[in-house]
Amino acid sequence: GAVVSQHPSWVICKSGTSVKIECRSLDFQATTMFWYRQFPKQSLMLMATSNEGSKATYEQGVEKDKFLINHASLTLSTLTVTSAHPEDSSFYICSASRPENSPLHFGNGTRLTVT
Amino acid sequence: SQQGEEDPQALSIQEGENATMNCSYKTSINNLQWYRQNSGRGLVHLILIRSNEREKHSGRLRVTLDTSKKSSSLLITASRAADTASYFCATDNTDKLIFGTGTRLQVFP
Repeated sequence: GAVVSQHPSWVICKSGTSVKIECRSLDFQATTMFWYRQFPKQSLMLMATSNEGSKATYEQGVEKDKFLINHASLTLSTLTVTSAHPEDSSFYICSASRPENSPLHFGNGTRLTVT
Repeated sequence: SQQGEEDPQALSIQEGENATMNCSYKTSINNLQWYRQNSGRGLVHLILIRSNEREKHSGRLRVTLDTSKKSSSLLITASRAADTASYFCATDNTDKLIFGTGTRLQVFP
């Protein structure tokens, strides 16, 4: 069964609004979770590394004030897309690793459409 | 860009044929992993090969790694229509996973 749950699976919002995406590790504690973005027919681009109890580490070119990440517990990380615009429409995927080994377990992704 | 590159970008084969996908990367690695993604879904881990390994098998999958050439290949033998998906290599060198550009595989019944 799934070990990482991501919610919602899809969301449509109006330009200017904010959207929150949740990523939960279901049967293990994840001190680190990762957020990726994927445009159609392209690869996954790492946006940020979410660290429990501390600030997220953002990749170059990713606006931290636009993509707010909160990792308040060992089983939950959230990504909030603030003041969303049509160009933010994409597939967002989270992942988490069990502390003792690789590989990463991925959520099923969230398709965001901003109108 | 840190991102690795895969070729071919797309591959179409008949059921029963073998499919080979190649991945090249740029930095030193701890391990290299291959993932599969069905359209619009999350990723499923297929196989991990460590930097000190040269070849690994898992069912119909065979992965090779050449660290001197910074390249890896994934071979799927006796392909099935259900193997239709996108396949990504991913390199792990600083505790984060960087994905390649992916190969879209279509297997016709």
